[in-house]
Amino acid sequence: AQSVTQLDSHVSVSEGTPVLLRCNYSSSYSPSLFWYVQHPNKGLQLLLKYTSAATLVKGINGFEAEFKKSETSFHLTKPSAHMSDAAEYFCVVSEAGGSYIPTFGRGTSLIVHP
Amino acid sequence: NAGVTQTPKFQVLKTGQSMTLQCAQDMNHNSMYWYRQDPGMGLRLIYYSASEGTTDKGEVPNGYNVSRLNKREFSLRLESAAPSQTSVYFCASRTTGIPEAFFGQGTRLTVV
Repeated sequence: AQSVTQLDSHVSVSEGTPVLLRCNYSSSYSPSLFWYVQHPNKGLQLLLKYTSAATLVKGINGFEAEFKKSETSFHLTKPSAHMSDAAEYFCVVSEAGGSYIPTFGRGTSLIVHP
Repeated sequence: NAGVTQTPKFQVLKTGQSMTLQCAQDMNHNSMYWYRQDPGMGLRLIYYSASEGTTDKGEVPNGYNVSRLNKREFSLRLESAAPSQTSVYFCASRTTGIPEAFFGQGTRLTVV
């Protein structure tokens, strides 16, 4: 069975400092992993995806994530936070054994201070 | 290319009323999904349809029914709305063999 754990419900950073949002997954098969962002009262926007190609994945707006099979992790990072990054972030796993049904983590709220 | 379209975008219901949330996709996808989003819970799967003519329960199906009307459309029905069904509902679709799903913009439902 597939599952995702987002290790922090809230992360608070200052503008211009690095961002780290942590995600661990459980999967019996080779998983595909995704990060989505949701700004207040908006829909879901795909930030980046890992689908068994390069383990370091670059996404939009300067975000990237690294797939680490040995640690079952897919943490999201950004070198320098911007005020516009304040939002809810979701880690999602999808695998063949789960019929590729997207399974969401509970989300991490990123707060960016001026 | 519209992608996944949900209607309505907003709805207020009284307890006990019924309504149907509509979802349509124009990408010729086989699989379609309904999720609900609640604070601190992420998105939880209500029902899904792996292909036209099939539907299956997800994690939180109680109080809901679905219909896969054709390949394009997948509707979610609340027969007797309850305040606990106040949520944001998302529809998604995906093509066979490709992990990435595409999401609609959501329907914000309030049951009073």
